[in-house]
Amino acid sequence: DAGITQSPRYKITETGRQVTLMCHQTWSHSYMFWYRQDLGHGLRLIYYSAAADITDKGEVPDGYVVSRSKTENFPLTLESATRSQTSVYFCASSEWRRSFDEQYFGPGTRLTVT
Amino acid sequence: TQLLEQSPQFLSIQEGENLTVYCNSSSVFSSLQWYRQEPGEGPVLLVTVVTGGEVKKLKRLTFQFGDARKDSSLHITAAQPGDTGLYLCAGEGWGKLQFGAGTQVVVTP
Repeated sequence: DAGITQSPRYKITETGRQVTLMCHQTWSHSYMFWYRQDLGHGLRLIYYSAAADITDKGEVPDGYVVSRSKTENFPLTLESATRSQTSVYFCASSEWRRSFDEQYFGPGTRLTVT
Repeated sequence: TQLLEQSPQFLSIQEGENLTVYCNSSSVFSSLQWYRQEPGEGPVLLVTVVTGGEVKKLKRLTFQFGDARKDSSLHITAAQPGDTGLYLCAGEGWGKLQFGAGTQVVVTP
């Protein structure tokens, strides 16, 4: 299906485990983003990517790793999960030809770290 | 970090009433976007305002960007249950979006 998808939609993991959240978009958008959403904080940018093999840190990058070998995929890895990383994670993509172009969000992954 | 503050945090009204949500910052933004998010889904863009003083209307929703491009408001006229959702403002600066914490709006029949 066309659009932006995330997997898994729900994940429970234990403290210290590595977990990877997947994001796939079919529009060939240049830009992709990872956010986390927590009550009282809104959406906070973790990492973003302007193109394949180009990534940069956002507001809260500590404890996360990203890669982008293909334009359509942008996985987010928690190297050693902590309870503070329990959150809802959203991936987004944008063409960003203009600075205010729309970001298209995936449905989110709800991650619980026990 | 540019901080965007939204108020109120929560708003519960009856169908047919009007409501206004505010988004304020001490920083200037190149543009400001408003998104609506429903439970279990990602945010969806409602509007982008770019010019200071700009007013945009989307059916019963009116969006205003402050003259100094530091604040914005969203006004809903004659709210309907379908307007229920989390409203997020996001300011654009340096190519990235800075989101407010959101305003949860509940419209009851």
